[in-house]
This record gives sequence, structure tokens and C-alpha cells, in this order.
Amino acid sequence: TQLLEQSPQFLSIQEGENLTVYCNSSSVFSSLQWYRQEPGEGPVLLVTVVTGGEVKKLKRLTFQFGDARKDSSLHITAAQPGDTGLYLCAGPNAGTYKYIFGTGTRLKVLA
Amino acid sequence: DSGVTQTPKHLITATGQRVTLRCSPRSGDLSVYWYQQSLDQGLQFLIQYYNGEERAKGNILERFSAQQFPDLHSELNLSSLELGDSALYFCASSGGSMRGEQFFGPGTRLTVL
Repeated sequence: TQLLEQSPQFLSIQEGENLTVYCNSSSVFSSLQWYRQEPGEGPVLLVTVVTGGEVKKLKRLTFQFGDARKDSSLHITAAQPGDTGLYLCAGPNAGTYKYIFGTGTRLKVLA
Repeated sequence: DSGVTQTPKHLITATGQRVTLRCSPRSGDLSVYWYQQSLDQGLQFLIQYYNGEERAKGNILERFSAQQFPDLHSELNLSSLELGDSALYFCASSGGSMRGEQFFGPGTRLTVL
């Protein structure tokens, strides 16, 4: 089974700071998704990356898929308190129908 | 609104009891996934159905079972409940594309007393 390790596990920053969250695997993924989950609610899909080296932007969020499709990153510029939440990377497990979620990064942005 | 509905939103029951959680996927989605999330934990994959058939199994306990009906809604049955089964249970649906995007329901919060 492929694993997705995220770092850091926890992150507490001040409003206006920049941050990067990493999602790493030793295996190749055909695609990776990023989700954000707020307490007590279901994860919400933010983006899908498919092509190695692909960069996607969603307002202040920039997502990148590694060239070898084994890793991905999420960069947030000028973080705001509304960005607070649990960020999860995820992807389909090659050769099976299982869907793998990363270990999660819990972000808190202080006003 | 993801288009995935789950009922009930909250459920409080006693140890040893049995409960049924219900999920309706987004219109047109054939796949339904069930996840368990304990307090401050990640998502634990339980089981996946595709068009009525079980497709993948995760760390689902023998006391738990699920099924997907012809109208594509799904039910997760939890029996002989224990205190440790208290958690958020999420259902997600997808269209079955290789990209794998999933759309989550609002969850059912189960409390076992």
C-alpha cells in the first residue's frame, strides 16, 4: 500500500505569513488531490494535480506536483485566519481501488 | 454543498446497540466510500462500493457492514457498539474517474455512551 506522509504535522502562524505544506510518497501517484477540512465538517476538495511538474493556483494557494509524481506541495501566501483547518493530500492507490489519504497538516492562523 | 447527503447528523446510543448510517451520493456518482474519523485523527478508510458491488475494503471491523442499494444510496451498519466507536463517520462519492476526486457529505457524529 502506498503511503502519503505530510509535513509539518502542525503549524501555527501569524496572519500575513507564508507557509508551505509537503506531501511525500515513495511511490508514483497517477494524480493527487488536496482537501481542506474544518472541525466537524467533511473534507472539501481544493484541487487535483495530474501531470508531473504541474502548478495550479487557487487565489492565494499554489499547488505543485513533483516532476516524478511522488510528491506535492501546497504554498499559502499571506495566510488569513480563514485558512485555518486540516489540510489533506490524497490519491488513488495504484493497482487497487483504494484511495489513500495523507497524515494531515493542521494549520492555525492567528489574527 | 457537495451534493452528498448523510443522515442522521447526530446519533447518541448505548454500548451494545446497533445503528444504521445512511448516505446518498451526488447525482450520477456510482462510487460510495465510508470513512471513520476519531477525535483529532485522520480519515480511516472503511469500505468502498461501486454500482452496488463492494470494490475495496479498509480496516473495517467485523461488527461493521455496509451495502449499496440499486438506487445507489448506501448504508453503514454498526453493531455491538463500543465506546471506542464514537467518531465522525463520513461518506464520500465519486464518479469513478481515474483521477479519484471525492466529494464528502457533512458526516454523522456517533456518540456511544
